[in-house]
Amino acid sequence: QLQLQESGPGLVKPSETLSLTCTVSGGSISGTNYYWGWIRQPPGKGLEWIGNIHSSGSPYYNPSLKSRVTISVDTSKNQFSLSLSSVTAADTAVYYCARRGVGAPGGFDYWGQGTLVTVSS
Amino acid sequence: DIQMTQSPITLSASVGDRLTITCRASQNIDNWVAWYQQKPGKAPKLLIQKASSLESGVPSRFSGSGSGTEFTLAISSLQPDDCATYYCQQYNTYSTFGQGTKVEIK
Repeated sequence: QLQLQESGPGLVKPSETLSLTCTVSGGSISGTNYYWGWIRQPPGKGLEWIGNIHSSGSPYYNPSLKSRVTISVDTSKNQFSLSLSSVTAADTAVYYCARRGVGAPGGFDYWGQGTLVTVSS
Repeated sequence: DIQMTQSPITLSASVGDRLTITCRASQNIDNWVAWYQQKPGKAPKLLIQKASSLESGVPSRFSGSGSGTEFTLAISSLQPDDCATYYCQQYNTYSTFGQGTKVEIK
């Protein structure tokens, strides 16, 4: 059974960089058939897609966050990571990592449990 | 950017009722739509992908339809366990989620 687990600091200061890692177990991140993505959800609000990356290392990002986001993959550790720079209180959210298939059918079928990141001084 | 407009935002229905949630895309997205169920404090759960393909293990009372710009999630007979927030997602161009529809039992 595939499992994803987010990890990283729960508190980040304004203007600093938020960094999270998603560790994948029960399957390999190296397969060609999947993208690995990050989605966030501010408290009490809806879901926002942040970006995806393929194991080949090709990322693509939400245009509204693109200038601040970097997603990378480390196949040797079966992990992928999120960096979000210059954070503000608006970046406070539960951050989820998830897997989606390349092409059809393509929904996010496996999710981590989510980790709350609070931006505050 | 492609916008996904969900309606209604909240929905109150009785056990056994049939209900539908609609999602409209701001441009043609073929059938690259997924639907998720989210309960408080939990990660979203995939119900439907490619507009109408039911995910394995999801009860058959859930169904999805539509193509182009208008999509529907239907629950044929509402059960107490279906109380949750439902989101649509387009993944034709990047990805966008709808605002969510909160389903409550009357």
